[in-house]
Amino acid sequence: GAGVSQSPRYKVAKRGQDVALRCDPISGHVSLFWYQQALGQGPEFLTYFQNEAQLDKSGLPSDRFFAERPEGSVSTLKIQRTQQEDSAVYLCASSLMGYEQYFGPGTRLTVT
Amino acid sequence: KQEVTQIPAALSVPEGENLVLNCSFTDSAIYNLQWFRQDPGKGLTSLLLIQSSQREQTSGRLNASLDKSSGRSTLYIAASQPGDSATYLCAALVVMDSNYQLIWGAGTKLIIKP
Repeated sequence: GAGVSQSPRYKVAKRGQDVALRCDPISGHVSLFWYQQALGQGPEFLTYFQNEAQLDKSGLPSDRFFAERPEGSVSTLKIQRTQQEDSAVYLCASSLMGYEQYFGPGTRLTVT
Repeated sequence: KQEVTQIPAALSVPEGENLVLNCSFTDSAIYNLQWFRQDPGKGLTSLLLIQSSQREQTSGRLNASLDKSSGRSTLYIAASQPGDSATYLCAALVVMDSNYQLIWGAGTKLIIKP
């Protein structure tokens, strides 16, 4: 079956632009996670959904970051007024129960 | 607060050698510990998952151990091959405010020289 997919795979944005990153989880997976990975670092937790409910958004670095999963399946991470420090790989993972996560290929965001 | 550390940050060894990657965590209250592989420009591939009640897991040439009391996990790679070159990350799964959360190390970049 299909794994987790993310689009776009690469995104270049000028500083100040808004971007939207999409994640398609594995069908039937209840949990969905977003992570931010800076170059040479491990991923950092951003936010977590269980179905359509956003249960934890403690990792979102600022109010410019917003995530949604309106129908409990596809999720979108939106970054408003992008800054250079937002440049990173954004990883999405899904899980049936939360304790084993399956990762997508990531979206590499470069803000110029 | 759980912190995960990986040492060394980078490792270069000749092909054929056996090697050990280290992962340490500060709080023994983990649900499980996972080792992942990350290739440049690609996502994360899960290699081995050790439940908190287990001591080790094996898959092919890979063996991962877990010692909760000392806060350590190791990933042993036997008979290394150039195709093993990648960044290896460990992550501890913890429960925070009734939610699962992965706490990650920064990774070890492994280069296997032909």
